[in-house]
Amino acid sequence: QVHLVESGGGLVQPGRSLRLSCVASGFTFSPYGMHWVRQGPGKGLEWVAIISYDGATKYYADSVRGRFTVSRDNSKNTLFLQIDRLRVEDTAMYYCARDLQGGAFDYWGRGTLVSVSA
Amino acid sequence: EVVMTQSPGTLSVSPGERATLSCRASQSIGLNLAWYQQRRGQSPRLLIYGAFTRATGVPDRFSGSGSGTEFTLSISGLQSEDFAIYYCQQYNSWPSLTFGPGTKVDLK
Repeated sequence: QVHLVESGGGLVQPGRSLRLSCVASGFTFSPYGMHWVRQGPGKGLEWVAIISYDGATKYYADSVRGRFTVSRDNSKNTLFLQIDRLRVEDTAMYYCARDLQGGAFDYWGRGTLVSVSA
Repeated sequence: EVVMTQSPGTLSVSPGERATLSCRASQSIGLNLAWYQQRRGQSPRLLIYGAFTRATGVPDRFSGSGSGTEFTLSISGLQSEDFAIYYCQQYNSWPSLTFGPGTKVDLK
């Protein structure tokens, strides 16, 4: 059974950094691309980033490029999202999701909440 | 960026009835469209990908159709657990993957 568990969220001040993690289990992690998707409070879904199965290729949404860095450790079945220079508008639930057919998301974690406030 | 729009914003339906949700893309996306269900307080769940292929474990009362710029999600015989928000998402235009704003299906 596919299981994705995010962690690392919390309440942080603007300008600070945070590192989110997503531990995968129940499937072979290394062949799959992985995504981060976020959802602001009471808002819709926003794709954030994707990393290829081997970590060699990464893409970001325009709204986060230059501040967010996605990475992975296939030996530990773990996906990461480094968030620097946090802004109030980064406040959201952050989900990791497995890639299906190049851009759909077939399994999602429960999310980790990031709140940015002074 | 491909802009996704959904209609209606809210759909009020009685249990057992059929719900029809629409999704439109600002440019042709072929069949590269997915539908997700998000119940209150839960993560999104993949329902449909490739415009009409049901994901694993999804009941056959959910069906997707359409291509190009116009897509539909139909839910027949609505059940209580189907009251939720439904999002469409395009994955034709890389690397910018975009979602629609969602349609809320609530109890009439």
